[in-house]
Amino acid sequence: RKEVEQDPGPFNVPEGATVAFNCTYSNSASQSFFWYRQDCRKEPKLLMSVYSSGNEDGRFTAQLNRASQYISLLIRDSKLSDSATYLCVVNPRTLGRLYFGRGTQLTVWP
Amino acid sequence: DGGITQSPKYLFRKEGQNVTLSCEQNLNHDAMYWYRQDPGQGLRLIYYSQIVNDFQKGDIAEGYSVSREKKESFPLTVTSAQKNPTAFYLCASRRDRAFSNQPQHFGDGTRLSIL
Repeated sequence: RKEVEQDPGPFNVPEGATVAFNCTYSNSASQSFFWYRQDCRKEPKLLMSVYSSGNEDGRFTAQLNRASQYISLLIRDSKLSDSATYLCVVNPRTLGRLYFGRGTQLTVWP
Repeated sequence: DGGITQSPKYLFRKEGQNVTLSCEQNLNHDAMYWYRQDPGQGLRLIYYSQIVNDFQKGDIAEGYSVSREKKESFPLTVTSAQKNPTAFYLCASRRDRAFSNQPQHFGDGTRLSIL
C-alpha cells in the first residue's frame, strides 16, 4: 500500500467555485502534513502546513482527520491563478524522508 | 537571500557519459534530498542525506550516486548505468533533527535530456 494516495483528477471548475481535495495516508503514526502547489514545469512550493485543529489561510482551508487518516484542502472562490497541481505531503516519522502524493491537477476556467 | 540553488538549469548527456547536478543551500538546513519527476508523474525520491558524510537510498537510487561532504552541498551524479535519465531533477532541503514538523524547500530544478 502506498504511503500517500491522492485522486489525480483532473478537476475542472469555473471561477468562483469551491473545490476540495482529499489525500489519505497509511501510517497512523505520521507526524506532520503539508500541501504544496506545483505549476507546470516549476518546482513545488509550500502552500500550507496542516495542523491538527485545522487551519485557514485566506481562501484556503486545510484539515486533518487522524481517525480516518486523511487530510483535505478546500479552496473557496477559485481564481484562474489557482490552476496548478496540488501535492499532499506526509512525514511519517520524526526524522528522515517525507512522502509525496502524485498530485491533483486543478484547472479553473473563466 | 537564503535559498537553494540548482545548476545547471538545462543539461544534456551523451550516451555512456556521467553528469553531475549541483545543489547548494545557504539555509543551514541539515537534511537534503534529490527527486526525479517524469512528465505528468509525481516526485520519486532518489537519495537523501540527514547529516554530513551520511546518506540513504530512496526509492530509485540505481544508476545514481551522491556525496555529502559539506552541509551546504549535495551533488547528484547521473551515471551511465541510468538508462533513462531524461527527467526533471529537484533538490530539496529541510531543517531536520529537533524540528520534525518542518517542510521541505525546493530548488528550481535541472532538466536533463539525452543527446
